[in-house]
Amino acid sequence: DAEITQSPRHKITETGRQVTLACHQTWNHNNMFWYRQDLGHGLRLIHYSYGVQDTNKGEVSDGYSVSRSNTEDLPLTLESAASSQTSVYFCASSENGYQPQHFGDGTRLSIL
Amino acid sequence: SQQGEEDPQALSIQEGENATMNCSYKTSINNLQWYRQNSGRGLVHLILIRSNEREKHSGRLRVTLDTSKKSSSLLITASRAADTASYFCATDAETSGSRLTFGEGTQLTVNP
Repeated sequence: DAEITQSPRHKITETGRQVTLACHQTWNHNNMFWYRQDLGHGLRLIHYSYGVQDTNKGEVSDGYSVSRSNTEDLPLTLESAASSQTSVYFCASSENGYQPQHFGDGTRLSIL
Repeated sequence: SQQGEEDPQALSIQEGENATMNCSYKTSINNLQWYRQNSGRGLVHLILIRSNEREKHSGRLRVTLDTSKKSSSLLITASRAADTASYFCATDAETSGSRLTFGEGTQLTVNP
């Protein structure tokens, strides 16, 4: 069965370090998305991609970057981790805008 | 800013009762989607309703959409303890290019 997997599931790191969260989907979807989920804010869009070599900024993109070198993967990088980036991060993919998004189980990131 | 706002923020009912959650949004949409999130897991798609549809059913779920009032409701009939989860509405705005904007969710607790 097709799936979307995120790794690691949990990570603790220190401020100032670079952190990369992995997202891999086997749906063969062109659209991929990264969200963060914080209490009181629901899910907020960080970055998204409509295909290979395409990346776009979302609502809360400062301090984050993504790259799309193939269809299956969209890694999220925190260039210099800050305590405000402590959150749960979700990756999702979809075939197009009229189809639902499929979510991974998230990465819980703590920055001390 | 959040496009969708759910009401109520929290809902506690007994097994067998019906649960109704509401969502309001601000801009014209292509479609509206409802998702469920169990604790510690990713979001799971429940139902998608297009802007030209007024009502949609899926099993024990009934979704209505009123584009004149920019609102939607999710009804879960004959609730079960396993329905305990957070429920989110998400809108695909006409100008969004398949990006979704999520509300903050309704926490539903179904007591056995």
